[in-house]
Amino acid sequence: NAGVTQTPKFQVLKTGQSMTLQCAQDMNHNSMYWYRQDPGMGLRLIYYSASEGTTDKGEVPNGYNVSRLNKREFSLRLESAAPSQTSVYFCASKGDSNEQFFGPGTRLTVL
Amino acid sequence: GENVEQHPSTLSVQEGDSAVIKCTYSDSASNYFPWYKQELGKRPQLIIDIRSNVGEKKDQRIAVTLNKTAKHFSLHITETQPEDSAVYFCAASIYNQGGKLIFGQGTELSVKP
Repeated sequence: NAGVTQTPKFQVLKTGQSMTLQCAQDMNHNSMYWYRQDPGMGLRLIYYSASEGTTDKGEVPNGYNVSRLNKREFSLRLESAAPSQTSVYFCASKGDSNEQFFGPGTRLTVL
Repeated sequence: GENVEQHPSTLSVQEGDSAVIKCTYSDSASNYFPWYKQELGKRPQLIIDIRSNVGEKKDQRIAVTLNKTAKHFSLHITETQPEDSAVYFCAASIYNQGGKLIFGQGTELSVKP
């Protein structure tokens, strides 16, 4: 099992460009999450999907959209990237237990 | 909404000493409190968790204590080793409400040989 996978690993964008971060899990988990990690601020929840077909805003949803494509995949889209969105993005998934399993992260720089 | 404060932001100990990291939360409805360890350049990984119906939980050298009245919980690491060096995050959530976690700001633990 690969667990939670994310693509790409690294990305550099110019202000105003758009991109989609991809996340997939092979653990048959119902819930999936997107976090961003900035120095000194821990991990902040952007959006989450408690089950296939549902999505909800987290703490910092502005400037982002998500799609729960199917049970395995949960994508995060930046429509018009801004320097403030420079961060490391982590996807996570959770099954019936409380434990969230994280992907390896995507390091995004917006110039 | 929930807010989680974590202290200290950095902690340096000698190998073999104990380390304690403390967190407070604001929402009395929170009932699940995990701790994650993140090594440099790696993903966060769960090391221990506790639910609100338990006051203490131990797993070898790590333990977590919870005081619901005061709304704070702590991570205790005994007999620290250099491989314990990492950033530790506490979090809080309301069990079975989407599973969303609100994280503290993190503590960078350094264990000096």
